[in-house]
Amino acid sequence: AQKITQTQPGMFVQEKEAVTLDCTYDTSDPSYGLFWYKQPSSGEMIFLIYQGSYDQQNATEGRYSLNFQKARKSANLVISASQLGDSAMYFCAMRLYVSSGSARQLTFGSGTQLTVLP
Amino acid sequence: DVKVTQSSRYLVKRTGEKVFLECVQDMDHENMFWYRQDPGLGLRLIYFSYDVKMKEKGDIPEGYSVSREKKERFSLILESASTNQTSMYLCASRAGAVLSRNSYEQYFGPGTRLTVT
Repeated sequence: AQKITQTQPGMFVQEKEAVTLDCTYDTSDPSYGLFWYKQPSSGEMIFLIYQGSYDQQNATEGRYSLNFQKARKSANLVISASQLGDSAMYFCAMRLYVSSGSARQLTFGSGTQLTVLP
Repeated sequence: DVKVTQSSRYLVKRTGEKVFLECVQDMDHENMFWYRQDPGLGLRLIYFSYDVKMKEKGDIPEGYSVSREKKERFSLILESASTNQTSMYLCASRAGAVLSRNSYEQYFGPGTRLTVT
């Protein structure tokens, strides 16, 4: 079964600085997608960025970029120029593109609580 | 604007009660999901459905059942609530397989915080 590991329960960053949130994954399947979601204190899950296992370039979405290192099985999220509104829980997730079963669905890591300091 | 709604933000039930959590999406999505979220464990998949009346077990289905009689509605049922089912429950939906990056995104509801006493 696939597994997602986020080893940083909590992180602090100064406003306007960049921060990297770590994510490693474990699967033997060649076809998968990696996702990052943000969950503010309001509880809503907000999709941030997606990377497919066959994508040649690292994904970017505004201030978010995904540092995809396939050989290391890591998919770290980089947030540039942190803002106070970035304070939230961040989840890394993976989905296998297989034909059936729960493995087709998102598997989430345990999350990293990011706090941006003024 | 895409929308997933859940019937309650907060719910308090007694042990042994039958509990219904309702989820409705207005995006005509084929796939719907129920997760529970607990501190330090992230989100864990309880059940999912890829079509009306179709359902599959997720990673932690024990103690739960689901119903999908209409495409837009997916219900989670706790037949006999127990204190270890106190948690945040999140519903999500996703479009079927389409050759588009956006098709892989899951949209989440606001969550229901259930307390079983």
